[in-house]
Amino acid sequence: EPEVTQTPSHQVTQMGQEVILRCVPISNHLYFYWYRQILGQKVEFLVSFYNNEISEKSEIFDDQFSVERPDGSNFTLKIRSTKLEDSAMYFCASSEWQIAYNEQFFGPGTRLTVL
Amino acid sequence: SQQGEEDPQALSIQEGENATMNCSYKTSINNLQWYRQNSGRGLVHLILIRSNEREKHSGRLRVTLDTSKKSSSLLITASRAADTASYFCANGQTGANNLFFGTGTRLTVIP
Repeated sequence: EPEVTQTPSHQVTQMGQEVILRCVPISNHLYFYWYRQILGQKVEFLVSFYNNEISEKSEIFDDQFSVERPDGSNFTLKIRSTKLEDSAMYFCASSEWQIAYNEQFFGPGTRLTVL
Repeated sequence: SQQGEEDPQALSIQEGENATMNCSYKTSINNLQWYRQNSGRGLVHLILIRSNEREKHSGRLRVTLDTSKKSSSLLITASRAADTASYFCANGQTGANNLFFGTGTRLTVIP
C-alpha cells in the first residue's frame, strides 16, 4: 500500500541552524501538507501546497519557514534559523484531491530537537 | 478555537470491551477524519465520514456524525491490547483545505 515517507526520523540541531525536513508524498497525490506536534500538544497545521505553490498557511508558518517541491517526488520543509520552540514532531501529509473530498495520509514524522 | 475537543482525555478498558471516544467541533465541516497515533509515532488514518453521512463502519470501527450537535464518536468493538494508542479526530472545515485536530483520547487496553 502506498505511503508517505519522511526523512530523517530524528534531527538534532543547534539553535540558529538551518534544517531541511524531507518528505515523499504518495505518488498520485496532488496536495501536500506540513503539520507539527509539540510534545503533549495538538497536531497543528503549518502549510498546504498545490500546483507548486502554497495554497494555505497558518500563523505559525512565518518567514523562517519555507516549502519546496524540488523535483517530481520530494516535498521539503526548511526552517532557516531554528529556535528552541521549533522542537516538535513534524508530519508531512498528502491527499489525492482537496481534503473536502479525500482522506489525508500522514507520514511517520520527523522528530526535531533544537538545542 | 477552530479545533475540536475529544473526551474522555484518557480511557482504560479491559481487552474485549468496547471503547467509545467522542469528539466535538465548532464550525461547519465537509468531513471528519479519525486517526490513531501510537506513542511518539505517526498518524494512521482510520476512517473518514462526510458531512452528509451519519454512520460509517470499517472492521471493528464504527463512526457516527451528528452535524446538528457538531459531534462525532468512534466506537472500537472487542478491543485488543494492540488498540492501545491515542485517537484523534480532525475536521475538514468548509472553505479550508487543512485539518483541525482535536486534543485526542489516550486509550489503554489492558490484556
